[in-house]
Amino acid sequence: KQEVTQIPAALSVPEGENLVLNCSFTDSAIYNLQWFRQDPGKGLTSLLLIQSSQREQTSGRLNASLDKSSGRSTLYIAASQPGDSATYLCASRDSNSGYALNFGKGTSLLVTP
Amino acid sequence: EAGVAQSPRYKIIEKRQSVAFWCNPISGHATLYWYQQILGQGPKLLIQFQNNGVVDDSQLPKDRFSAERLKGVDSTLKIQPAKLEDSAVYLCASSYQQGVVETFGSGTRLTVV
Repeated sequence: KQEVTQIPAALSVPEGENLVLNCSFTDSAIYNLQWFRQDPGKGLTSLLLIQSSQREQTSGRLNASLDKSSGRSTLYIAASQPGDSATYLCASRDSNSGYALNFGKGTSLLVTP
Repeated sequence: EAGVAQSPRYKIIEKRQSVAFWCNPISGHATLYWYQQILGQGPKLLIQFQNNGVVDDSQLPKDRFSAERLKGVDSTLKIQPAKLEDSAVYLCASSYQQGVVETFGSGTRLTVV
């Protein structure tokens, strides 16, 4: 069964810093990998999706990379802002489990002014 | 298009009581998921439907949880009897078909006291 791990569990940085969130998965036979943002008491917002054949995706200040061979993905946030404070979830989608998402526990990010 | 609708938004019940959650997916979406998200953890798949058939319910505690999707549209998730550890946010998501990015509802926050 796919296991998704996110490191660190929590992170606090001053505004303006660049930061990296890490995600690892045990089964490299993934269909795609997705990064989500979750604000307290809110639902999930999809940030970036990387297909298994891709190496990275970019959206504004966000860049996600995927290395299937090592079972790793990273989410890079440039020039962090207080509005980036949220929990970031990584999830793999596997073709052998009905294409449902397997989520990590998330990284709680706090960006201080 | 309208999003995934869930109700109620919040529910507080005593242990051993029963509770039901309702999900109305986006029109035309054949695939429907129920996830359980316990505080501090990532969402965990409980059950996946394709139209009105079950694709995966391997993580559904069948002694107390049940779900149905009559006519392949709306879905209900029921817990009977509830335990303290069932306190969580229950998220419903739907997609046009398996493997396609899903849309999440805002969730139902259940507190069992």
